[in-house]
Amino acid sequence: DAGITQSPRHKVTETGTPVTLRCHQTENHRYMYWYRQDPGHGLRLIHYSYGVKDTDKGEVSDGYSVSRSKTEDFLLTLESATSSQTSVYFCAISLTGTYEQYFGPGTRLTVT
Amino acid sequence: QQQVKQSPQSLIVQKGGIPIINCAYENTAFDYFPWYQQFPGKGPALLIAIRPDVSEKKEGRFTISFNKSAKQFSLHIMDSQPGDSATYFCAASAGRGGSEKLVFGKGTKLTVNP
Repeated sequence: DAGITQSPRHKVTETGTPVTLRCHQTENHRYMYWYRQDPGHGLRLIHYSYGVKDTDKGEVSDGYSVSRSKTEDFLLTLESATSSQTSVYFCAISLTGTYEQYFGPGTRLTVT
Repeated sequence: QQQVKQSPQSLIVQKGGIPIINCAYENTAFDYFPWYQQFPGKGPALLIAIRPDVSEKKEGRFTISFNKSAKQFSLHIMDSQPGDSATYFCAASAGRGGSEKLVFGKGTKLTVNP
């Protein structure tokens, strides 16, 4: 699992509430990613980070923000959750100098 | 705009059969093509990957065939087993090592019957 943990693993929240998901890695990888997975859509990139305080948008970034104040933690925030953000969220890391990406176990988020 | 098209959506084979999953891409800048395997409730796991300078790569029972001129690549699973039942995703990226933004196909649910 490339030393990746995600928390929480499951969360149910109400529309309009803020939500923060955490991705933690133990192996000092520079690059980290947040994806969402929805039936019929595969995995889609939300945001990614190429270093502390260095982040950029992915394909489906609207409604999401990220922060990376330490190498080991990459946070995904939904400022005001909507039902369309009900999904499974995966964090990934890539090994510096390679193309390989490894995924965490995922967080299942339900917005009611 | 879907940059990687994957087919079929689902596939059922008997044990020992050779399921084939196909992907097509449009962006000629893509230079890395991985396949991921995902079991229910788990994260995707990197299975095998290929670069466009080779036409085929084998790892155990898994083979990627790559056709650069047709902009297509496929995954073959030899001697498939019930334990191979999972969802498979192809992906593609273009970039220098370490900052890849993977674009995924929509996935193929494979069922291998005993």
